[in-house]
Amino acid sequence: KAGVTQTPRYLIKTRGQQVTLSCSPISGHRSVSWYQQTPGQGLQFLFEYFSETQRNKGNFPGRFSGRQFSNSRSEMNVSTLELGDSALYLCASSLGPAQETQYFGPGTRLLVL
Amino acid sequence: GESVGLHLPTLSVQEGDNSIINCAYSNSASDYFIWYKQESGKGPQFIIDIRSNMDKRQGQRVTVLLNKTVKHLSLQIAATQPGDSAVYFCAEYGGATNKLIFGTGTLLAVQP
Repeated sequence: KAGVTQTPRYLIKTRGQQVTLSCSPISGHRSVSWYQQTPGQGLQFLFEYFSETQRNKGNFPGRFSGRQFSNSRSEMNVSTLELGDSALYLCASSLGPAQETQYFGPGTRLLVL
Repeated sequence: GESVGLHLPTLSVQEGDNSIINCAYSNSASDYFIWYKQESGKGPQFIIDIRSNMDKRQGQRVTVLLNKTVKHLSLQIAATQPGDSAVYFCAEYGGATNKLIFGTGTLLAVQP
């Protein structure tokens, strides 16, 4: 069974731009969570989606948003990029909501210049 | 503001030795715990999990111990190999948060 896939793997943007990252969960998994990983803050939860609905949200500004499609694929968007948004963005999938075991993708490395 | 990089605790072991990585969790209501391994350039990889009604669980070359009294979790790796070199994270789940909370991680360096 294929794992979680994320595209693109690497991205360079400039301040003020916006970016969209994509995540395809493991087949049969319906819940997708997003995390930001930085050397300064570690792994931080962004949000979780299930059945196209946001179930849970971390403590990030409104510039960070996401959505989930009917096939469980998910996208996250960051608008008006700041230098501090440079990070590894990780997507994780699980079977369903409150299914604690999450399986991670390889991440998208975003660099904001 | 300027961010300060996390200084990851580092555990350096010789190949073939046993490794013990420790983690203190924060929420006494957490009822599920996971250890993840993250190699350079990759996403975290699930290693082993344990529920709060257990105090020990064994996998292949790995054992997780849970001490709820002091909110402590440990990961033991037997016969550590160079391929075990990575950052190891513990994560807790439960209570009202309904989300995984990750620890800061420990860098395991295996010397050949």
